[in-house]
Amino acid sequence: QKEVEQNSGPLSVPEGAIASLNCTYSDRGSQSFFWYRQYSGKSPELIMFIYSNGDKEDGRFTAQLNKASQYVSLLIRDSQPSDSATYLCAVTRTGNQFYFGTGTSLTVIP
Amino acid sequence: GAVVSQHPSRVICKSGTSVKIECRSLDFQATTMFWYRQFPKQSLMLMATSNEGSKATYEQGVEKDKFLINHASLTLSTLTVTSAHPEDSSFYICSASDFGLAGPYNEQFFGPGTRLTVL
Repeated sequence: QKEVEQNSGPLSVPEGAIASLNCTYSDRGSQSFFWYRQYSGKSPELIMFIYSNGDKEDGRFTAQLNKASQYVSLLIRDSQPSDSATYLCAVTRTGNQFYFGTGTSLTVIP
Repeated sequence: GAVVSQHPSRVICKSGTSVKIECRSLDFQATTMFWYRQFPKQSLMLMATSNEGSKATYEQGVEKDKFLINHASLTLSTLTVTSAHPEDSSFYICSASDFGLAGPYNEQFFGPGTRLTVL
């Protein structure tokens, strides 16, 4: 079983819609959860992180964490074509060990 | 956020040569640096984790004698691909973090990546 699993997609949404990206993790001891965005040919950039159950909002982005279900999601409201990228979920346990999912490819259709 | 640089951004070399890639944290001290490799349309693959002043920890399947990592200071780590072959052609990305500051919630700051092409 992989540490972090994501649906590889591709996920396509029309411009202005809500894009929902999902991630599950296997270790209940996981502590912090990160969402990174990666454009083709570029390195990942952090969108947001969350470590408490519930929702965390930052602009058009909302991260949702449910530790009981071992599930973290990212919602992108009012999706824009510039949001088209691969979104990587990352999970940490204690210390400095990061585990990345394989990423979900998102395409926002104008 | 913190800035991590990589040099060179792009390198083309002949098969059998060695290539060194530098990763620098510009405005913070990185106690830990990570090296990743990414093939086209695939996810990041962690190659190794390096802590300043100690030997790197390599992931399973990564040859430590082929991918030499040195983390001699808190702001610099280097990855040397020795005797490079065409199958080593990939996008190499480093990231850095300072886990001494705020506990386990520190993010990784990624460098811009180095695209290696081995002819």
